[in-house]
Amino acid sequence: GAVVSQHPSRVICKSGTSVKIECRSLDFQATTMFWYRQFPKKSLMLMATSNEGSKATYEQGVEKDKFLINHASLTLSTLTVTSAHPEDSSFYICSAMLGRTPNFGAGTRLSVL
Amino acid sequence: DAKTTQPPSMDCAEGRAANLPCNHSTISGNEYVYWYRQIHSQGPQYIIHGLKNNETNEMASLIITEDRKSSTLILPHATLRDTAVYYCIVRKSNFGNEKLTFGTGTRLTIIP
Repeated sequence: GAVVSQHPSRVICKSGTSVKIECRSLDFQATTMFWYRQFPKKSLMLMATSNEGSKATYEQGVEKDKFLINHASLTLSTLTVTSAHPEDSSFYICSAMLGRTPNFGAGTRLSVL
Repeated sequence: DAKTTQPPSMDCAEGRAANLPCNHSTISGNEYVYWYRQIHSQGPQYIIHGLKNNETNEMASLIITEDRKSSTLILPHATLRDTAVYYCIVRKSNFGNEKLTFGTGTRLTIIP
């Protein structure tokens, strides 16, 4: 079964609103989680590394004020897309390490109208 | 970070073995090779991983060349449900900073 739970699976919002996506590790603790973005027919692009109890590490070109990451517990990381615009529409995926193996959530399809 | 390259697409007849290549010529000694697949609008699913020895599990086999510059994922008896995008990933582990570098992916189509 799934070891990483991501919620919601799909969200539609109006331009200017903020959207929060949750990523939970099931039955294991994850001090580090990862957030990816995927454009249609493209590979996954790492956005940021979420660290429990400390600030997230963002990849070059990713706006930290736009994509707020909070990793408040060992089983939960959240990604908030602030003041969403249509260009933020994308597929967002999280992952967490279980032992040596990265496990991915099912993804969140964000559509900004 | 090591880069990986994969052919953009491949076809394979149902019931035959699907062999998916991946080039990772700049891989370093402590980097693992992982394979995942992604069915449309879902998260990537783990298939197999290895460091330098060949590996086999219930889903697939992974063949890594002796110089570790390339690898091949083998699905021994492809079914229609194996149609997906397959990603070859090099995993770097540096003092706890786990960084995943995704390849371009191969879109595998299993033909009835």
